[in-house]
Amino acid sequence: DTEVTQTPKHLVMGMTNKKSLKCEQHMGHRAMYWYKQKAKKPPELMFVYSYEKLSINESVPSRFSPECPNSSLLNLHLHALQPEDSALYLCASSQEGGRAETQYFGPGTRLLVL
Amino acid sequence: GDSVTQMEGPVTLSEEAFLTINCTYTATGYPSLFWYVQYPGEGLQLLLKATKADDKGSNKGFEATYRKETTSFHLEKGSVQVSDSAVYFCALSRTGNMLTFGGGTRLMVKP
Repeated sequence: DTEVTQTPKHLVMGMTNKKSLKCEQHMGHRAMYWYKQKAKKPPELMFVYSYEKLSINESVPSRFSPECPNSSLLNLHLHALQPEDSALYLCASSQEGGRAETQYFGPGTRLLVL
Repeated sequence: GDSVTQMEGPVTLSEEAFLTINCTYTATGYPSLFWYVQYPGEGLQLLLKATKADDKGSNKGFEATYRKETTSFHLEKGSVQVSDSAVYFCALSRTGNMLTFGGGTRLMVKP
């Protein structure tokens, strides 16, 4: 099983809402990632968790709050977002976070902030 | 810092045509190189990779060779199909788990 699942597929939220994106993998991977992808652009790394600890935070605004409850799950909590945060949010995982590892991506959550 | 440059698209080809998508990189040391593909409405999936100079990655008829002397990792396929229509991203990884992506190249294959 090389699948990374993400829920929900689509999300519409207002600027005062609080919502969460969820990501799950059952490949035994110990590194998990959140990316943001705007239309016609490459993914931009937001956060990396390695062995359930936050190892990289790419200067992401505090209205995005990641959480890794266990080695299979990764959440992204959203609060007071702006319209420019509308994008495709991709989750990925890899074995341990090494240089040559393949990252396995989920299908993404398409977020629209009104 | 590290960077990846890809040819701008869209690239439009007829079915069975030969495909080349150019990719060059800037990085110190010995990065690993990847091609990821993104089909419409989906996430990215690994197409192929190479981890050292002169390695050739291949998958589904696609090939790319890690050329350190020209800092390149060009993607080729001998005969494209309509189902190959997608966006292709070249990427490198030099330290740990950080992927640096190129801008992406959209491929459109017409029947």
